[in-house]
Formats: sequence, structure tokens, C-alpha cells
Amino acid sequence: GAVVSQHPSWVICKSGTSVKIECRSLDFQATTMFWYRQFPKQSLMLMATSNEGSKATYEQGVEKDKFLINHASLTLSTLTVTSAHPEDSSFYICSARRQGAEEPQHFGDGTRLSIL
Amino acid sequence: AQSVAQPEDQVNVAEGNPLTVKCTYSVSGNPYLFWYVQYPNRGLQFLLKYITGDNLVKGSYGFEAEFNKSQTSFHLKKPSALVSDSALYFCAVRDPSINTGKLIFGQGTTLQVKP
Repeated sequence: GAVVSQHPSWVICKSGTSVKIECRSLDFQATTMFWYRQFPKQSLMLMATSNEGSKATYEQGVEKDKFLINHASLTLSTLTVTSAHPEDSSFYICSARRQGAEEPQHFGDGTRLSIL
Repeated sequence: AQSVAQPEDQVNVAEGNPLTVKCTYSVSGNPYLFWYVQYPNRGLQFLLKYITGDNLVKGSYGFEAEFNKSQTSFHLKKPSALVSDSALYFCAVRDPSINTGKLIFGQGTTLQVKP
């Protein structure tokens, strides 16, 4: 089946640190990846759509300079939370989709980010 | 506006009993519909999808869902619940006329299966 790997699983760091999260599609090529944020016991909030070889498309209210997305290859997208602060603490989840309109998104296992 | 509603925050079922997790949607045209399950501190696992064809779709772990166009519903079902089915379930919809591939998620329903 389609496997998406997300790394790291947990990050604890000091305020002001920048944190990079990787999302890899292990057994398929993903022209499109998605980045979500999830608050406790809530649904997923789409942050941005990551397109291979082009700029990401950010959802309204998401700061582009705060959440840097790079999708340099068909199997890797990265999300960098720049100068993270405690309010950025959250569960971040990526997903990837094979080409094809009927393909579902396949999700990574998420990254728990805690900013002290 | 496109939307997905899961009217129940929590569903409680005894092990061995049938379960239903409800989902209704509001999308123009012919939507693509999906169910996902999330266990604590994990990402979402794909269960099943409806694209076209037979209204009853079967998915992973014995789950199935019935697409009802007139009621704009896509309820998730399982004939006999297991304790291990206890998790958070999300219904999602995609408008295929929009090329972004973005999903619209419901708010999630916690399924609690008691032994």
C-alpha cells in the first residue's frame, strides 16, 4: 500500500528555534503533498498544498514566512517552522497523493511539536 | 459553500454490536467521499472511498459505507464492532471539479467500543 513517512515524530525545543519536518512518500511519487495542523480533539486544519517544483499554496491566515514549505522532489516535502514560539506547539500531519483524480490522500504519522 | 458534517461527537457501542458513524455533506456535483481513522498520536489511516458505481463500498478492517445521493450521506458501518475499533473517525469529501485535490474534513467522531 501507499506509505508516507514523517520525521521526526516528536520535537521539543526552545522558543526561537526553527524546526524542520520531513514528509516522504516511500513507494510512490507524489506531485502534491499537503500539510495540516491538528489541535487536541479537533479536526485537521489544512495549512498549505505543496506542489513539486513550484511554490506552495497557503490557506488563508497561514503565514508563509512562518511556515516555509519546500517540495524539491516527487517524494519529499519539508515544512520548516521558523522562529517557533509556544503558540506554534501542535500536531502537524502531512499527506501525499498519487497522481490520479480518484486517489486518496495517504497520511504520515504526524509530528508532535512542543515549544518551551 | 462545501462542507461535511459528522453530527455525533461520540458514538458508544458494545463489542459485537453493529456500529454506524454518520456523515452528511454539502458539495455541488458528484463528490468523492472518504473515511479515515485516527488512533492517538498517529496520522490518519485510509479506510474506504466512494467515487462512482455501487453505493455500498467495502473497505479495510471490515468497514463499509453507503453512499446515499438523495440524503447526501455517507455513513460508515460495521456489522460487529471490536474494542480495537475505538478511535477517532473522519469523513472527508473532495470536489473533483477542483483540481487541487484538497479534502474537506468533518469534525470527527470518537467511537468508543466497550467490552
